[in-house]
Amino acid sequence: DTEVTQTPKHLVMGMTNKKSLKCEQHMGHRAMYWYKQKAKKPPELMFVYSYEKLSINESVPSRFSPECPNSSLLNLHLHALQPEDSALYLCASSPTGGGSVAKNIQYFGAGTRLSVL
Amino acid sequence: KQEVTQIPAALSVPEGENLVLNCSFTDSAIYNLQWFRQDPGKGLTSLLLIQSSQREQTSGRLNASLDKSSGRSTLYIAASQPGDSATYLCAIIQGAQKLVFGQGTRLTINP
Repeated sequence: DTEVTQTPKHLVMGMTNKKSLKCEQHMGHRAMYWYKQKAKKPPELMFVYSYEKLSINESVPSRFSPECPNSSLLNLHLHALQPEDSALYLCASSPTGGGSVAKNIQYFGAGTRLSVL
Repeated sequence: KQEVTQIPAALSVPEGENLVLNCSFTDSAIYNLQWFRQDPGKGLTSLLLIQSSQREQTSGRLNASLDKSSGRSTLYIAASQPGDSATYLCAIIQGAQKLVFGQGTRLTINP
C-alpha cells in the first residue's frame, strides 16, 4: 500500500469558519508534509513533521495550525482564512524524518481543493 | 538560495515521438533530484528519483539523467502516448526533507 489518503477532496468555507484537513498513511513513514499549491504553480512547502514533531515551519500564518496526533495521521486546522488561501492542499509522507535522505522518496496524496469565500 | 527552472513551460507533440524535458538548478549541493507527474487537479506521482551519486535512472519508457556539475537534469520519454499528457515537475531534495520545485512543463501528446 503506497497510498496517502486526504479528506475531504473538496472544501468550501467562509472566512469565519473553522475546518480541518486530514491526511493518513499506513506505510510506516515517519515524516509527513503539508504543501500548498496555487493554480499553475508548483507546490510550496508549509510544514514538515518528523517522528511526530514539527521540524519545519515555512513561516506560515497562524491561521494554519498543523497537528500530528500519531505517526499515521496529520491534520491541518484552518481558522479565519482569507480568499487568497484558496488552493490545492497536498499532504505527503516519506520513510524517514532525518539522517540520510538517499532514499527519501515523498509520496503525495490527491489533495484537498479548498475554496474560501 | 536554490532555484529550479524547467524549460519549456509547455510542449505539444504528436503521439509516438520521443521527447526531452529539461530541468536546471543553481546550487549543485543537492541530495537527490526527483521527477513527478501531476494530472490536472490531482496530487503528484513520483516517477523517478536520482541520488546525487547517480547519473541516471530508468523506469519503463522514462529515463532521467543528472549532471550535477552543470546543474542539469533531463527526463526522456520514449514513444510518447496520449496518456503521458500531464504536467511534469522536477524537484531538488535538499537537507531536512525540503523539496524545491521547478515551475513544471505542461505536456500534451496529440493522437
